[in-house]
Amino acid sequence: KQEVTQIPAALSVPEGENLVLNCSFTDSAIYNLQWFRQDPGKGLTSLLLIQSSQREQTSGRLNASLDKSSGRSTLYIAASQPGDSATYLCAVPLSGGYQKVTFGIGTKLQVIP
Amino acid sequence: EAQVTQNPRYLITVTGKKLTVTCSQNMNHEYMSWYRQDPGLGLRQIYYSMNVEVTDKGDVPEGYKVSRKEKRNFPLILESPSPNQTSLYFCASSLYSGGATEQFFGPGTRLTVL
Repeated sequence: KQEVTQIPAALSVPEGENLVLNCSFTDSAIYNLQWFRQDPGKGLTSLLLIQSSQREQTSGRLNASLDKSSGRSTLYIAASQPGDSATYLCAVPLSGGYQKVTFGIGTKLQVIP
Repeated sequence: EAQVTQNPRYLITVTGKKLTVTCSQNMNHEYMSWYRQDPGLGLRQIYYSMNVEVTDKGDVPEGYKVSRKEKRNFPLILESPSPNQTSLYFCASSLYSGGATEQFFGPGTRLTVL
């Protein structure tokens, strides 16, 4: 059974700092890995999708990397802003598609002005 | 606007009273899924649908039913709700079921069963 772990559970940083969020998974037979942000009381917003054949994806100040063999993905946020404060989740479907999707519990990020 | 919509957004009900949470997407997506989110447990998959008339159980299907009679709609039915089904529910969709495209989520339905 796939297990997805996100460390740290919570993180507080001053504005402007670069930071890294981690996502670890136990079964490397994944199809892709998707990073989301969730604001309090809101739905999930897709940030980046990395296919299993890719090593990294970039969108603006965000960069996500994927190392299937070690079962790890990182989300790098450059020059953090207070608006980045949210919970960040990673989702991992096993190979074969979206029949089985496992989420991490998330990292709650607070960026202090 | 491309989106996944859910109704109602908030619902308080009593044990045993049947209810339906609707989910609709306007993107012609093949795949749709329901998740529940609970503190400390994260999001867990309830049911999913790979296409019209094709549905299957996720990790926590007990007490739920779904149907996919048309591509855009994927309702979640609780025939006899119980307090342990109090949760935040999300519907999601993706263009393809195979995993090549990202999942998009609805705004969530907060359900309280008394």
